[in-house]
Amino acid sequence: AQSVAQPEDQVNVAEGNPLTVKCTYSVSGNPYLFWYVQYPNRGLQFLLKYITGDNLVKGSYGFEAEFNKSQTSFHLKKPSALVSDSALYFCAVRVIQGAQKLVFGQGTRLTINP
Amino acid sequence: ETGVTQSPTHLIKTRGQQVTLRCSSQSGHNTVSWYQQALGQGPQFIFQYYREEENGRGNFPPRFSGLQFPNYSSELNVNALELDDSALYLCASSRTIFQETQYFGPGTRLLVL
Repeated sequence: AQSVAQPEDQVNVAEGNPLTVKCTYSVSGNPYLFWYVQYPNRGLQFLLKYITGDNLVKGSYGFEAEFNKSQTSFHLKKPSALVSDSALYFCAVRVIQGAQKLVFGQGTRLTINP
Repeated sequence: ETGVTQSPTHLIKTRGQQVTLRCSSQSGHNTVSWYQQALGQGPQFIFQYYREEENGRGNFPPRFSGLQFPNYSSELNVNALELDDSALYLCASSRTIFQETQYFGPGTRLLVL
């Protein structure tokens, strides 16, 4: 089955420090990978995606993600964390089973401490 | 904001009742997908609608059904509600059936008592 895994339920980072939120994938063929963020009482906001090309993908709000085929990973990164980055982050992979659907990981709660 | 809207924002129902949730897709988007997000979980795909027809379905029973209208808005209907149906229901739209990026609405939080 095609899936993604987020090995950390929670990540804590001090404001101003770099942050990394981890994601690994299990997909047959070339993966289409996504990161979404969810703030309290809000829906999911699209951050970035990897389809093909450069392994370093840049997205919204200063986030970027690095695709690593040999390690089957797609980690989300930001050079300098802000308190406002505190939220729930989801990694997802596109799966085609009739429809194009997204299969999500369990989510990682990111807390940025002032 | 994505331009995807959902109503209502919150809903409380009792077991056995029926519920209808509504979604307006982003302007120019003709494909709508519905997801269920239980507490502490990632969203799970329910089904997708394209040109007013169901285009694919996840592992959900037939009491979960949907509609898409000519203006591409959509409804999710759940019959015979069960306690486990309590969740955040998310609607997502994409420009076409072939576009891989989905844009989500704020969701409807359903509580079944």
